[in-house]
Amino acid sequence: GAGVSQSPSNKVTEKGKDVELRCDPISGHTALYWYRQRLGQGLEFLIYFQGNSAPDKSGLPSDRFSAERTGESVSTLTIQRTQQEDSAVYLCASSSQRDTQYFGPGTRLTVL
Amino acid sequence: AQKITQTQPGMFVQEKEAVTLDCTYDTSDPSYGLFWYKQPSSGEMIFLIYQGSYDQQNATEGRYSLNFQKARKSANLVISASQLGDSAMYFCAMRERVGTASKLTFGTGTRLQVTL
Repeated sequence: GAGVSQSPSNKVTEKGKDVELRCDPISGHTALYWYRQRLGQGLEFLIYFQGNSAPDKSGLPSDRFSAERTGESVSTLTIQRTQQEDSAVYLCASSSQRDTQYFGPGTRLTVL
Repeated sequence: AQKITQTQPGMFVQEKEAVTLDCTYDTSDPSYGLFWYKQPSSGEMIFLIYQGSYDQQNATEGRYSLNFQKARKSANLVISASQLGDSAMYFCAMRERVGTASKLTFGTGTRLQVTL
């Protein structure tokens, strides 16, 4: 497709379980970002990938959060031992280097 | 200190009227970019308009224009001829260089409601 895609669109999980969220960036975009948006709030930066450089993990809120990216393609955000405060929409964006970021539709995570 | 400030949590505008959504920013980086995104109730973030810190002219994209006042560090979004479909959350964001990275920092958003 032409845009950023994310899966699943919705995820409901129980407290303590691990979840994996997937992002497919726009083809050819070297940069990929993950953000978290809690209900009624703005976006919080989580992690940034740029080509083969080491990712910028400065926004990850705890060591329960991790992300990987294979080359310049798919990225997976993993949350281990989910907590209720992890409930949010997780948005992925991609861009050419330093160019405009284009967002995917997000994954709505609900931790019961 | 907040880097991006949107002081209007909510705004109302009548259809076909113009509306200005405020955004001020704070950065010491001489090279930065300012963005506006629209987030309808569906949740996706839609890119609207971009202004680079070195751009001499205000950016325009159709009914959207950005009133860039560099000395005042403001980057207000102007929507002309509002339409019902403009009802959404609007976020101002700033891109700064952090080493080789390029990060976006978002404001808290303004909810715009267009009325008949």
